[in-house]
Amino acid sequence: GESVGLHLPTLSVQEGDNSIINCAYSNSASDYFIWYKQESGKGPQFIIDIRSNMDKRQGQRVTVLLNKTVKHLSLQIAATQPGDSAVYFCAETQSGGRRALTFGSGTRLQVQP
Amino acid sequence: DAGITQSPRHKVTETGTPVTLRCHQTENHRYMYWYRQDPGHGLRLIHYSYGVKDTDKGEVSDGYSVSRSKTEDFLLTLESATSSQTSVYFCAISVADTEAFFGQGTRLTVV
Repeated sequence: GESVGLHLPTLSVQEGDNSIINCAYSNSASDYFIWYKQESGKGPQFIIDIRSNMDKRQGQRVTVLLNKTVKHLSLQIAATQPGDSAVYFCAETQSGGRRALTFGSGTRLQVQP
Repeated sequence: DAGITQSPRHKVTETGTPVTLRCHQTENHRYMYWYRQDPGHGLRLIHYSYGVKDTDKGEVSDGYSVSRSKTEDFLLTLESATSSQTSVYFCAISVADTEAFFGQGTRLTVV
């Protein structure tokens, strides 16, 4: 079936730098795209979402960009901190359904002090 | 953790034995899910529930069954555990169209 995937398995950045995590998706019917963060030993945690009719959404220190032309999603983290070290998953879902999420395979973000 | 409790947190079982994992929520949410997480696969949906006694299959449902007799409890059963079912299992509740709260996970090892 259609799935959401990721370009890079591991991203290493210096503390204070900006991070960009990328994701490619294949399901054009998805209505929402979402980013989740998973810290070691914990379940995933919601970060931010974006509707399919938007191309950018900002949160606190995070920005999600959606490019439907090339089916690409990215998560930008400003001024990356050690607490941002985690695995980041993109996910997608369709409205009107059972809210089930389809996840990508994840990118590990390592923040170097 | 939005009132989600998974039990047990860790379990080792033998091939061929039945195993039941429990997810309990205190939030009275309608939608509940079971995912499994394996290296290189992210999280994959096993089964989900949209109400008491209302359940449906996810992407990787073979070998698993679920039951939801009360709003607060969602049980995942492996009828006859196999080594391929060694994984970390996460329960989740949906609080909005895109936002789900996940439990702490259950690490299951089938030997």
